[in-house]
Amino acid sequence: AQKITQTQPGMFVQEKEAVTLDCTYDTSDQSYGLFWYKQPSSGEMIFLIYQGSYDEQNATEGRYSLNFQKARKSANLVISASQLGDSAMYFCAMTGGFKTIFGAGTRLFVKA
Amino acid sequence: SQTIHQWPATLVQPVGSPLSLECTVEGTSNPNLYWYRQAAGRGLQLLFYSVGIGQISSEVPQNLSASRPQDRQFILSSKKLLLSDSGFYLCAWSEQGVGANVLTFGAGSRLTVL
Repeated sequence: AQKITQTQPGMFVQEKEAVTLDCTYDTSDQSYGLFWYKQPSSGEMIFLIYQGSYDEQNATEGRYSLNFQKARKSANLVISASQLGDSAMYFCAMTGGFKTIFGAGTRLFVKA
Repeated sequence: SQTIHQWPATLVQPVGSPLSLECTVEGTSNPNLYWYRQAAGRGLQLLFYSVGIGQISSEVPQNLSASRPQDRQFILSSKKLLLSDSGFYLCAWSEQGVGANVLTFGAGSRLTVL
């Protein structure tokens, strides 16, 4: 069975600094996708970044990058130059087949 | 462009009452459709997904059911709500096909069962 693990319930980061949110996964599939979503206090879910299991390069989207280490089954999100608006819940997710499963999330607090 | 609508946004229901949450997608055809539930401060639990009209896959045995009467319409229902059904329900869609497709979510429906 597939599983996503996020071991950091909460993280603090100083504004303008970088932060890494951890994610490990488990799957027996050869082809899968890894995602990060952001959920502000409003409740909406916002797609941030995607990494395919066969992609050799780490994905980047603006200030977001995904540190993909396939052998370790990890897909950590790195946010550079944190902003106050980055304060939110962050979910790691994995797609295999038709289903997408989510981790428990990490709440990020950005301090001014 | 594609849009997803979900309603109602908020509802308070007594235990034992029925439930109907509706989700519609515009601007695409034959999408994959999903219902997730999020308990307070927790992650998203996949409840149902559908890859076509009338095709429903259930992930978690529970008090809820789903239907897809039209290509871009997905309905979550219950005949008798339980206290444990309280939560934040999110509908989502992705492009048809197996694999790494981005989920686009509706704004969510917050259900409180009293």
